[in-house]
Amino acid sequence: VQLVESGGGVVQPGRSLRLSCAVSGTSFSHYAMHWVRQAPGKGLEWLVVISSDGTTKHYADSVKGRFSVSRDNSNNTLFLLLNNLTADDTAVYHCAKVASRALAGPNWFDPWGQGTLVLVS
Amino acid sequence: DIQMTQSPSSLSASVGDRVIITCRASQSITRHLNWYQQKPGKAPKPLIYAASNLQSGVPPRFSGSGSGTDFTLTIRSLQPEDSATYYCQQSYGPSWTFGQGTKVEIK
Repeated sequence: VQLVESGGGVVQPGRSLRLSCAVSGTSFSHYAMHWVRQAPGKGLEWLVVISSDGTTKHYADSVKGRFSVSRDNSNNTLFLLLNNLTADDTAVYHCAKVASRALAGPNWFDPWGQGTLVLVS
Repeated sequence: DIQMTQSPSSLSASVGDRVIITCRASQSITRHLNWYQQKPGKAPKPLIYAASNLQSGVPPRFSGSGSGTDFTLTIRSLQPEDSATYYCQQSYGPSWTFGQGTKVEIK
């Protein structure tokens, strides 16, 4: 299983950016997917989950209303639209697949993508 | 949202030492607790899932325990390659959260 993020870069405050996560080696449409970010020198921050069919989404309060997650199951790709960016959004953004297809019960991130850096400046 | 509190934030130990990292949830998460290891410049790697289950390929010197609100990650005999930052993460409910991380250094 491989997850490859793209779309990061340098962006001015207030602008938008769309990140992509290309997934291969697994049945992408069967798994919920998450985005997690890590600011430079800081810890991991969970951002959002999208269900396998894309109908259900949950956001962290810190990005609710500004970030939007979507997926294209026909092309095995996950997206994250980042709007109205601020310096606090500077981070490496990782996509992560859940380990289990089950809707209930324990679950965890496995695997992770290597991440794409967003620098708001 | 469920808050996760990890301690300590950093530690320094010798090769062969036993290392214990704790993680406390702000409410019961039953056993929906996972541990990850992250090395600089790399993506996190799962170590333990559902509180005490060892991820495939992870050395058996790593173990996890706990339920409800209190959890521990134990490294039985610290090795040089265990130098990393460790994170707990809860998966109870739709919104997942991480602990602040524990940086483990080798003396």
